[in-house]
Amino acid sequence: DTAVSQTPKYLVTQMGNDKSIKCEQNLGHDTMYWYKQDSKKFLKIMFSYNNKELIINETVPNRFSPKSPDKAHLNLHINSLELGDSAVYFCASSQDVNSPLHFGNGTRLTVT
Amino acid sequence: QKEVEQDPGPLSVPEGAIVSLNCTYSNSAFQYFMWYRQYSRKGPELLMYTYSSGNKEDGRFTAQVDKSSKYISLFIRDSQPSDSATYLCATLNSGYSTLTFGKGTMLLVSP
Repeated sequence: DTAVSQTPKYLVTQMGNDKSIKCEQNLGHDTMYWYKQDSKKFLKIMFSYNNKELIINETVPNRFSPKSPDKAHLNLHINSLELGDSAVYFCASSQDVNSPLHFGNGTRLTVT
Repeated sequence: QKEVEQDPGPLSVPEGAIVSLNCTYSNSAFQYFMWYRQYSRKGPELLMYTYSSGNKEDGRFTAQVDKSSKYISLFIRDSQPSDSATYLCATLNSGYSTLTFGKGTMLLVSP
């Protein structure tokens, strides 16, 4: 049973397209996150939701829009994709804001 | 100065060696400290989670935090080829939900 699952695993698309990544967690956690891992393997927070409410929104272009339909799901929609958006995007969840994060296996986005 | 600094490696050791992985951090407000292991093309997996200074042991792994010098260590005893991965340290403020990661140290354990 996968605790945090993301789809798709791989996403190859052209510049200017709009795409979505879905995330679901079955751990009963209250907080969910999106992280971006660049080519140098650096993990950086993008967004954090607690009980469907946005609590962290780091300096991310507004082409990126997270949506949390319920506390078990946090999706990421990206408009007008750019070459620099190519990265691995990780979804994560935690019991609360002070608890360790549990990560999904990532979505490898390649923009051509 | 970056908030969490970590030598990227790679660190190459023979099987059975004791491995020491280290991080330094700059923000004295950090109270929670974690080590994650990340295999290639996988998500980070939590290894150790500690609060405040001191040691915590779990099997072959020992996490050590020294808040006075802002230094975090992970020791791996009897290292195995299956320990080959990237190890990420991470820190967290109390009540502030952004986990700050180091850039990770790649460990290679040769048989």
